[in-house]
Amino acid sequence: GAVVSQHPSWVICKSGTSVKIECRSLDFQATTMFWYRQFPKQSLMLMATSNEGSKATYEQGVEKDKFLINHASLTLSTLTVTSAHPEDSSFYICSAVRDKTGNTIYFGEGSWLTVV
Amino acid sequence: AQSVTQPDIHITVSEGASLELRCNYSYGATPYLFWYVQSPGQGLQLLLKYFSGDTLVQGIKGFEAEFKRSQSSFNLRKPSVHWSDAAEYFCAVYSWGKFQFGAGTQVVVTP
Repeated sequence: GAVVSQHPSWVICKSGTSVKIECRSLDFQATTMFWYRQFPKQSLMLMATSNEGSKATYEQGVEKDKFLINHASLTLSTLTVTSAHPEDSSFYICSAVRDKTGNTIYFGEGSWLTVV
Repeated sequence: AQSVTQPDIHITVSEGASLELRCNYSYGATPYLFWYVQSPGQGLQLLLKYFSGDTLVQGIKGFEAEFKRSQSSFNLRKPSVHWSDAAEYFCAVYSWGKFQFGAGTQVVVTP
């Protein structure tokens, strides 16, 4: 079964509103989680690295004030898309690292965001 | 610059035929290498991974991949494809705490 769970799987929101996506590691503690965005028919692009208890590290070109990441516990990271616009519509996927060697990396099922 | 390249954007293969998907990487050291499959509208499923040791790695669904250090390649193979193998395939590397994906290869399986 899934060891990393994302919620919601699908979400539709109005332009200008904010939406939160959760990523949970179900049976292990993840000191590091990653957030990716995937536009239709494109590859996954790393948005940010989320470290428990510290600020997220954002990739170049990703607006940290628009994509708020909170890694409040060792099993939960959240991505909040603030003031969403239609161009933010995408598939968002998280992954969690079980140990620092990178031997065990698990992906969530992904969350489809549609902004109307 | 570090990179992951999948030269083939799209591959069409007949059911029962063999399949090979290419992946090349450019990193300072040997990273961890992965192959994932993604069906339309779905998340990622790990097919196999390579960290060290035997350079021929066996995965799920009858897939295997071979790591060739001299060619900086990690090509994915399957001897006989099934219609259910039609999907998008991503090669990925994990190095220095970051995961980077190739552009993906779309596999179409014809009867």
